[in-house]
Amino acid sequence: DVKVTQSSRYLVKRTGEKVFLECVQDMDHENMFWYRQDPGLGLRLIYFSYDVKMKEKGDIPEGYSVSREKKERFSLILESASTNQTSMYLCASSTRQHYGYTFGSGTRLTVV
Amino acid sequence: DAKTTQPNSMESNEEEPVHLPCNHSTISGTDYIHWYRQLPSQGPEYVIHGLTSNVNNRMASLAIAEDRKSSTLILHRATLRDAAVYYCILRRSGGYQKVTFGIGTKLQVIP
Repeated sequence: DVKVTQSSRYLVKRTGEKVFLECVQDMDHENMFWYRQDPGLGLRLIYFSYDVKMKEKGDIPEGYSVSREKKERFSLILESASTNQTSMYLCASSTRQHYGYTFGSGTRLTVV
Repeated sequence: DAKTTQPNSMESNEEEPVHLPCNHSTISGTDYIHWYRQLPSQGPEYVIHGLTSNVNNRMASLAIAEDRKSSTLILHRATLRDAAVYYCILRRSGGYQKVTFGIGTKLQVIP
C-alpha cells in the first residue's frame, strides 16, 4: 500500500559529489514537495512542483535543484554535496485541492 | 503565508484524553486547518483536517474555534503509540501554495 516511494532509506556520499534523491508517487497527484528535517528546526521546504516541468523555490533552495519530467517523479539534486546538507530528506505529494499530503518514509543522507 | 503556533512539547498519561492546541491568528477564509503526526523514523502522516466545523474520524477529533483563530486536536484516549510529533498547518486549494510545517508539538505519553 506504499504510495510515495523514496529510492533510498540511507545514503552516504562524499563532499563534492553530485547526489540524486528520487521520489515516485502512484496517486496521480499534481503537487510534489521536497523537505529537509533537522533537529530543532522542523520540516523546511526546499522546492515544490505543481505540474510537470514546473518548479518553485521553497524556504531553503540554496545548494539544491529539482527535476520533474514526469508527473509521478520528482527528483532532488545536490550539485556538489556539502557536510551541511547532511539531513533527513522527505518527499511529499498532494492534489491541488485542500486535501492532505502523503509523505514518503524519508532518506537519511550523510555527507562525509 | 499564514503561520501556526504550537507548544514545543506536551505530556499525557496513557488512556487519558489529550488536547493539542494550535494558534493561527492570521488564517484566511479559504485556509483549511490540517494536522499531521510523525512517529519516530517515519515521514509525517495525515491525521485530520477541517475548515469551519468540528471534524471526527477514527484517529482523532478536530475542534475549531468559532473565529477560526485557533484549533485543538483531540486524542480521546492516548496510547503509547500516539507518542509522536504533531504538526498543525494551514493550506488552501490551488497548486501554488507554499506550506511550511515548522517544529510541531512533541507528545510524550506516560504509562
